[in-house]
Amino acid sequence: GAVVSQHPSRVICKSGTSVKIECRSLDFQATTMFWYRQFPKKSLMLMATSNEGSKATYEQGVEKDKFLINHASLTLSTLTVTSAHPEDSSFYICSAIGAPMNTEAFFGQGTRLTVV
Amino acid sequence: AQSVTQLGSHVSVSEGALVLLRCNYSSSVPPYLFWYVQYPNQGLQLLLKYTSAATLVKGINGFEAEFKKSETSFHLTKPSAHMSDAAEYFCAVGGTASKLTFGTGTRLQVTL
Repeated sequence: GAVVSQHPSRVICKSGTSVKIECRSLDFQATTMFWYRQFPKKSLMLMATSNEGSKATYEQGVEKDKFLINHASLTLSTLTVTSAHPEDSSFYICSAIGAPMNTEAFFGQGTRLTVV
Repeated sequence: AQSVTQLGSHVSVSEGALVLLRCNYSSSVPPYLFWYVQYPNQGLQLLLKYTSAATLVKGINGFEAEFKKSETSFHLTKPSAHMSDAAEYFCAVGGTASKLTFGTGTRLQVTL
């Protein structure tokens, strides 16, 4: 199957700083990427959908100014958590979909963010 | 609108016993249905998917699921559990196999 690489796998940052998480499709062109947030022992909550070259579409209740998403190329999307606070601590997962496997989304390994 | 209900947040089976994880869905369009497995602090791995072809879908690691439209169900089964199957399992529905709505997950515990 196709490979999606997410980096870093784990990050600890101080409250008030910004953190960037990268999501790369290694062997296919990802026309669409999705960013999810997973709370402890909870399901995945879709945060936003990003299409290459256009602005991300955010789900209701997700602050777009806080969670900046950029999808500048067909192989890379980034999520920047700005002015992070302890309540932003969570597991963030990206997924990507693209040709030719358009019926399946491939997931990254996830990023554990801890804000102290 | 789409939704997924996974009955049982925690299922425990003995090694070698049948695994049955339940998933019911709601979708206004013909659904694509997925089962994913997640190991601690890792992303999701696709076990199997239903995309309107055969109703009985076989996946990796000996898992299979049957799509039953009349029951709006897509239960996941495995004839014989292995210790390595212990993980969190998520059922998901997507109208176009892209934007997915996930269930709340079922943690499978396998005991000796």
